[in-house]
Amino acid sequence: GQQVMQIPQYQHVQEGEDFTTYCNSSTTLSNIQWYKQRPGGHPVFLIQLVKSGEVKKQKRLTFQFGEAKKNSSLHITATQTTDVGTYFCAPTSGGSYIPTFGRGTSLIVHP
Amino acid sequence: DVKVTQSSRYLVKRTGEKVFLECVQDMDHENMFWYRQDPGLGLRLIYFSYDVKMKEKGDIPEGYSVSREKKERFSLILESASTNQTSMYLCASSLPLTAGTNEQFFGPGTRLTVL
Repeated sequence: GQQVMQIPQYQHVQEGEDFTTYCNSSTTLSNIQWYKQRPGGHPVFLIQLVKSGEVKKQKRLTFQFGEAKKNSSLHITATQTTDVGTYFCAPTSGGSYIPTFGRGTSLIVHP
Repeated sequence: DVKVTQSSRYLVKRTGEKVFLECVQDMDHENMFWYRQDPGLGLRLIYFSYDVKMKEKGDIPEGYSVSREKKERFSLILESASTNQTSMYLCASSLPLTAGTNEQFFGPGTRLTVL
């Protein structure tokens, strides 16, 4: 499968601080999905980005797709303890419709 | 709501045993997937199926096989379990890409320990 790098692997924040995770690819992506996995749970779909430069918001979460469609980011404003979990990007590229999951960024929020 | 169920949450097997992991989805999805999840490695695709009796290898198919005899059911088979197959196994389903969105719906996972 394609190579996608997700950074950082872990992030500790104090509650109320912002958080960003990045997903980078060496190849142009067709689209990218983001998932959240709570501790002990299973991945849950958050959003899909398709267009170059696309920005989508879900309450305190902001998702961006790069202009060149080679990278994406998820930004959380004013983290809360409910944001704890692992965030995965899952892009597709070429003619494949199968997403390739990044290794994830684990967010730990300290109250 | 889509519901994806897996036959066991926890499973303990011995080296050399044949292991069956079952997954059932109730939303008539064409696509089904099997992943394994290990710390620091994310989700790695083992096999997927886009139709009944159809299967495609993922990134790490070695040591595994699959079966899809009915649309709603996708089975993962470990012919001869080994200790390096101790992992969390996640099943997922999705609509085909032509549906406009191919978000995946995951089951709760099966934590398999091979002794």
